[in-house]
Amino acid sequence: EDQVTQSPEALRLQEGESSSLNCSYTVSGLRGLFWYRQDPGKGPEFLFTLYSAGEEKEKERLKATLTKKESFLHITAPKPEDSATYLCAVRPGGSEKLVFGKGTKLTVNP
Amino acid sequence: SAVISQKPSRDICQRGTSLTIQCQVDSQVTMMFWYRQQPGQSLTLIATANQGSEATYESGFVIDKFPISRPNLTFSTLTVSNMSPEDSSIYLCSVRTGLGYTFGSGTRLTVV
Repeated sequence: EDQVTQSPEALRLQEGESSSLNCSYTVSGLRGLFWYRQDPGKGPEFLFTLYSAGEEKEKERLKATLTKKESFLHITAPKPEDSATYLCAVRPGGSEKLVFGKGTKLTVNP
Repeated sequence: SAVISQKPSRDICQRGTSLTIQCQVDSQVTMMFWYRQQPGQSLTLIATANQGSEATYESGFVIDKFPISRPNLTFSTLTVSNMSPEDSSIYLCSVRTGLGYTFGSGTRLTVV
């Protein structure tokens, strides 16, 4: 069964305090691993797609990496505006659907 | 990437009634997806809607409860039928774009 587990469930950081969010997955034939940001009352906002182990992508203070079993979202020197829930999802082989984790709620205090 | 407009943004409904959610995309897309996000749970795919054919439902979701229409390549509706408090959730539509999957802003449904 395709499954995604995100940890921690919640994370509080001080502004400037770097950290990482984890996404562990089991999937039959990975066709992509996706990271989204979701603000309260809004739909998920696309951040990154990773396709193969060793791949990395960056956007401003965020960097996503991928291995055969997990992905990390590294947040460097976060700011309060980075506070949101970060969602990880995988697309199984032969499927168009995304399987999501429950997300990590990040709070960055000034 | 595509822009999705979803209506209504929120609603409070009486149990036993039905609500239809609309999803409009600013470009033509082959597939549209409907997800549910229950409190404290992960987003879960309800069904995939292709224009001109019956929607494909995921395990645990049935057409009688969640009928879907897909009249053209830019529009779809999801109806939540005979609602109960357990149907209180956020419902989201999604489409595949060049980079990934784009989501609408969601419909927050509360059933009382």
